[in-house]
Amino acid sequence: DAKTTQPTSMDCAEGRAANLPCNHSTISGNEYVYWYRQIHSQGPQYIIHGLKNNETNEMASLIITEDRKSSTLILPHATLRDTAVYYCIVRVGGYGNKLVFGAGTILRVKS
Amino acid sequence: GAGVSQTPSNKVTEKGKYVELRCDPISGHTALYWYRQSLGQGPEFLIYFQGTGAADDSGLPNDRFFAVRPEGSVSTLKIQRTERGDSAVYLCASSLSTGSDHNEQFFGPGTRLTVL
Repeated sequence: DAKTTQPTSMDCAEGRAANLPCNHSTISGNEYVYWYRQIHSQGPQYIIHGLKNNETNEMASLIITEDRKSSTLILPHATLRDTAVYYCIVRVGGYGNKLVFGAGTILRVKS
Repeated sequence: GAGVSQTPSNKVTEKGKYVELRCDPISGHTALYWYRQSLGQGPEFLIYFQGTGAADDSGLPNDRFFAVRPEGSVSTLKIQRTERGDSAVYLCASSLSTGSDHNEQFFGPGTRLTVL
C-alpha cells in the first residue's frame, strides 16, 4: 500500500470548515483514498473514500487532485464533536484488504 | 443495530500470563480483522479472517499470538506468555465480503490490555 503523509495536528474554529490535507504521491491506479477518524477512547470510524472523482456524503467531502497525488478531507461546519485523529489511508479496493494506518492528524475544534 | 463488541473492555495481567480477548462481529459480516494500537500511534494490522479461516496473519508479531474463529462469527485473540510490550489497545473490526470495491470496516471499542 502506498504511504501517506499528513500534518501532525491542526486547529479549527467551531462552525468553520476544517480542511485536512494528505499527500500520497506513490498511489497506484487501483488504490483508493480512504479517510477514517478516531475519537478518543473509541475505535476508528469510516468517513469517506474515493478513487479519482470528488466525493461527498453526510459527513464530509473528499477532494482528490487530478494527478491523485494528494487529497483534502473537508468537514464543512466543524463541531466540538469532530475533535479526533483523522487517518488518510490508501488501499486497493475489495474486501480482505487490511487498513494501514499512519499517525494521522489530530484535529482540535475550538469554541 | 448492534455494532462490533469486544470483551473485556479492560484487562490487567502479569508478565508471563496467558490472556484471551473476544470479539463479536456484526451479524452477517464474514470478514473479521484484529488490529493493535499502542499509545500515540495508529492501529497496526494483526490478522484477517474470511469465514473460519485466517486469510492473512502477516501482522502477528510472533508465535505467542494466535487467533481463532471456529464458527465464522466470534473470534478470540490469544496471547501466551505476555510481555510488558504487549500492552496496547486491541481493536477488532468486521465487514461484509461483497464484490464491491468498498467494504467498510466497522470497529469495536477495543480491549485495553495492560501487562504489569
